[in-house]
Amino acid sequence: GQNIDQPTEMTATEGAIVQINCTYQTSGFNGLFWYQQHAGEAPTFLSYNVLDGLEEKGRFSSFLSRSKGYSYLLLKELQMKDSASYLCAVRDGDYKLSFGAGTTVTVRA
Amino acid sequence: IAGITQAPTSQILAAGRRMTLRCTQDMRHNAMYWYRQDLGLGLRLIHYSNTAGTTGKGEVPDGYSVSRANTDDFPLTLASAVPSQTSVYFCASMRGPDTGELFFGEGSRLTVL
Repeated sequence: GQNIDQPTEMTATEGAIVQINCTYQTSGFNGLFWYQQHAGEAPTFLSYNVLDGLEEKGRFSSFLSRSKGYSYLLLKELQMKDSASYLCAVRDGDYKLSFGAGTTVTVRA
Repeated sequence: IAGITQAPTSQILAAGRRMTLRCTQDMRHNAMYWYRQDLGLGLRLIHYSNTAGTTGKGEVPDGYSVSRANTDDFPLTLASAVPSQTSVYFCASMRGPDTGELFFGEGSRLTVL
């Protein structure tokens, strides 16, 4: 099975930066994903890392260290609309995609 | 608009009844997945299919069955619903099991009384 851990909640101020950490233990590894989910909606894709390093996409960046079983999602210049749940997901050696419980980010004015 | 369609969007069901949640995608994706989402537990994988004709068990398969007769359809069946199966169910697809983005349907909210 897989064990994926991420903080339950984080709060930050509009315009600030927030880093959401994700640690994982998995049988084989075929990629790590980050998704955003607003309340009552389906998750939407943010990023995909399969090699070590930083992937930048606008205000969002995602980092992966396979040797440490660690990833983070960095949200810069926070906006009120960034208030959502952020889900870390790992694809294992059998290509099953499992999710962490999610981190609820609240952005305050 | 291409994507994933789930039906029904919401359903209230008596315990012991049989229920099939439908999922259809028109993107010709090979891999499809069913997740349930419960407060505090996140998305948990029920069953998956890497290609038409094959299926596999996820983290919480008990009480659920799936079939993948063709590329487009991936129905999820609850043979005899129980209250613990009250949840929001998401169907998702990916071009291939080893590719990137996972696309989600809008979800089916199921309440078992």
